[in-house]
Amino acid sequence: DTAVSQTPKYLVTQMGNDKSIKCEQNLGHDTMYWYKQDSKKFLKIMFSYNNKELIINETVPNRFSPKSPDKAHLNLHINSLELGDSAVYFCASSQELSGANVLTFGAGSRLTVL
Amino acid sequence: GQNIDQPTEMTATEGAIVQINCTYQTSGFNGLFWYQQHAGEAPTFLSYNVLDGLEEKGRFSSFLSRSKGYSYLLLKELQMKDSASYLCAVRDSNYQLIWGAGTKLIIKP
Repeated sequence: DTAVSQTPKYLVTQMGNDKSIKCEQNLGHDTMYWYKQDSKKFLKIMFSYNNKELIINETVPNRFSPKSPDKAHLNLHINSLELGDSAVYFCASSQELSGANVLTFGAGSRLTVL
Repeated sequence: GQNIDQPTEMTATEGAIVQINCTYQTSGFNGLFWYQQHAGEAPTFLSYNVLDGLEEKGRFSSFLSRSKGYSYLLLKELQMKDSASYLCAVRDSNYQLIWGAGTKLIIKP
């Protein structure tokens, strides 16, 4: 069973389009995240979300919006795609484990904007 | 600003030992993590240090010195499957994870 699953794995689209990436976790974790990993391999937090609070990285353009229909799902919707949005997007969930907040990542969604 | 520094790339030989260093400058400290990421795959959790000293887990060990803002990941008895990127991440005073760019480790036979 896949713990954190995200779809699609690959997404190629034109500038200006709107697209969504879906994420589901079956771990029972309370917190979910979206990360962006660019060509330089830095992982940058975009959003973290639990039942009570959405934390937005203030550097994320408002063209990006998380949508959480329930605790096990956190989808990412992107409006008016730009070339610079090309990256790998990772969904993750976390659980506190002996003081550590260990992240479990999905396999990633590679977005290419042409 | 907040900063995590790791070497970009390292090469080692199968069966040998390699040490991957990580230095950090963050606003506060609430733990340091190491993750492994194989090419084209998701990062996976390796280790967590919050107190100074060495944490050993099989072939992998992680060390932390909070006063020096320094950690290392030690990999022993290297295997070809250890070829991957190793990401250092620090949790700051706001409990946000700050990530390094990762160290690409190449293992040669």
